[in-house]
Amino acid sequence: DSGVTQTPKHLITATGQRVTLRCSPRSGDLSVYWYQQSLDQGLQFLIQYYNGEERAKGNILERFSAQQFPDLHSELNLSSLELGDSALYFCASSVSLGSTGELFFGEGSRLTVL
Amino acid sequence: GENVEQHPSTLSVQEGDSAVIKCTYSDSASNYFPWYKQELGKGPQLIIDIRSNVGEKKDQRIAVTLNKTAKHFSLHITETQPEDSAVYFCAASTASNDYKLSFGAGTTVTVRA
Repeated sequence: DSGVTQTPKHLITATGQRVTLRCSPRSGDLSVYWYQQSLDQGLQFLIQYYNGEERAKGNILERFSAQQFPDLHSELNLSSLELGDSALYFCASSVSLGSTGELFFGEGSRLTVL
Repeated sequence: GENVEQHPSTLSVQEGDSAVIKCTYSDSASNYFPWYKQELGKGPQLIIDIRSNVGEKKDQRIAVTLNKTAKHFSLHITETQPEDSAVYFCAASTASNDYKLSFGAGTTVTVRA
């Protein structure tokens, strides 16, 4: 158990809909990262928050947004969903700002868009 | 940005044999190279990492080597066991990219009993 909690574990929805994925980082970790893992793909970095502020952006679509709340949990919002958005979405946390230390990953949220 | 390539994409080995996964990176400023293992239905977990001031690092049956000149690094698993079956990801991080990790595409390792 990494200490990172993601909900829901599975989500099935239709094209055009909007979903919210939630992540609770490990106790004491200030950085939260979101990654997308599509079938047969590696881990694509989406966005990072540190202590409530957006720190870095990767290949995140404009239809996607995220935030980190004062209690440090984070939410990833995916809107106007398309079939290609079907993927595993991972949240990871670390104690530091940079990722030169261990990232602790949750078990992921599997999104299926029909 | 950083581009990390990983080979092979799949690897099947006999139990007890060694497995080697190789990665190359593009940004010569990269200075941190972790390896993550992802078991079925789980999130990736760090198994070993190496920094640019070190050429090799070992932890029991796993070792990582780094060649900064050639910009490549490798994961070596010796005496493979069935529980080593998983997807392995290499990654690279650089200060110039705000230390964001760029991951390779992954290698699916299957250890045959």
